[in-house]
Amino acid sequence: QQQVKQSPQSLIVQKGGISIINCAYENTAFDYFPWYQQFPGKGPALLIAIRPDVSEKKEGRFTISFNKSAKQFSLHIMDSQPGDSATYFCAASKGSGYSTLTFGKGTMLLVSP
Amino acid sequence: NAGVTQTPKFQVLKTGQSMTLQCAQDMNHEYMSWYRQDPGMGLRLIHYSVGAGITDQGEVPNGYNVSRSTTEDFPLRLLSAAPSQTSVYFCASSYVGANTGELFFGEGSRLTVL
Repeated sequence: QQQVKQSPQSLIVQKGGISIINCAYENTAFDYFPWYQQFPGKGPALLIAIRPDVSEKKEGRFTISFNKSAKQFSLHIMDSQPGDSATYFCAASKGSGYSTLTFGKGTMLLVSP
Repeated sequence: NAGVTQTPKFQVLKTGQSMTLQCAQDMNHEYMSWYRQDPGMGLRLIHYSVGAGITDQGEVPNGYNVSRSTTEDFPLRLLSAAPSQTSVYFCASSYVGANTGELFFGEGSRLTVL
């Protein structure tokens, strides 16, 4: 049973465009929703995260939108740049006091110059 | 600024061989974990530990053993490697306590089993 479903699997966006990656979760006990960014040959690194008590969080060009009733959240990358080309993972965790994250399958983003 | 250090970065094994992937962190994190990353499968949790002497299974534990004798180290052992264990393995750590969701990952160990 896949607890966090992520789409699309891959995405090509032109420089300056908006990249949108969507995730849906099943477990209503999840209460923390981070996004990780991974460059080739590197480990994932935390990009931005949200808790379900807010509907949106913005950090620079990156925004998370959260819809608790639909059990969905999404990452928007505004003014996408070639340097944003990476694999993005959404994830979710329960309030257990440590970070046992359940990850989506990832989205490979390519921003064309 | 070492963070999470994994060794080796690359390894080729023959079916049936054993080996240990090493992971060390210098951030005094209580929580450590091992994930495997396969194409189209995302990151799947193998084993994790919330402190020295405490380990637990994740989503895909079969074929792997772990131990946690110190806060800093969390080795992953493959007792009899199989081709299905060909993957990229990531060690990650974090603080225990308030759930921040922030895991700190190593750079990975790429394992090929022939």
